[in-house]
Amino acid sequence: DTAVSQTPKYLVTQMGNDKSIKCEQNLGHDTMYWYKQDSKKFLKIMFSYNNKELIINETVPNRFSPKSPDKAHLNLHINSLELGDSAVYFCASSPPAGTLLLGYGYTFGSGTRLTVV
Amino acid sequence: DQQVKQNSPSLSVQEGRISILNCDYTNSMFDYFLWYKKYPAEGPTFLISISSIKDKNEDGRFTVFLNKSAKHLSLHIVPSQPGDSAVYFCAARLMDSSYKLIFGSGTRLLVRP
Repeated sequence: DTAVSQTPKYLVTQMGNDKSIKCEQNLGHDTMYWYKQDSKKFLKIMFSYNNKELIINETVPNRFSPKSPDKAHLNLHINSLELGDSAVYFCASSPPAGTLLLGYGYTFGSGTRLTVV
Repeated sequence: DQQVKQNSPSLSVQEGRISILNCDYTNSMFDYFLWYKKYPAEGPTFLISISSIKDKNEDGRFTVFLNKSAKHLSLHIVPSQPGDSAVYFCAARLMDSSYKLIFGSGTRLLVRP
């Protein structure tokens, strides 16, 4: 019973294609995130949703569009994929972002390795 | 412009000895600092955190030290075990309306038997 699950784990696709990555959490958390781990290994936040409402939208190309049908799901759709989109994408969830008790921080999924060829 | 930096990409330590992982930050608007551990093909898992109003937090073999004047924190693992071999990420929470976590680039720790 995985707490935060992402599918697929690996995704290889050609430039110009459109693809989606799905994320689901069963922790009852209100807030979900998408992070990108680039070639330099930094984990950079892309989006954050709180109860289906977008609260963080970093400087990310418009080709990336998150969708949250309910607070347990946050999917990432990418249009017109480019070579530079190749990375590992991590979904995460947490209690409301302003919660001061960070006893356990975010819970991350196992990542989706996207390779654009 | 990386606000959280881990300048050592890797560290190798003998089993039983102390591992010290370092992290520097540039923004004074962080209120919490966290360490995450990551095994290959898995997501990062939360390890330990410290509030910016404290200078030390201990949990078993793991202790995090915070030096606010130097904008530096460190994670001590004593004694180190081979199962501790992983990538360790330092993260800091922004004290604004976003409360987002800013991560460093990670340090790969190898604990040799």
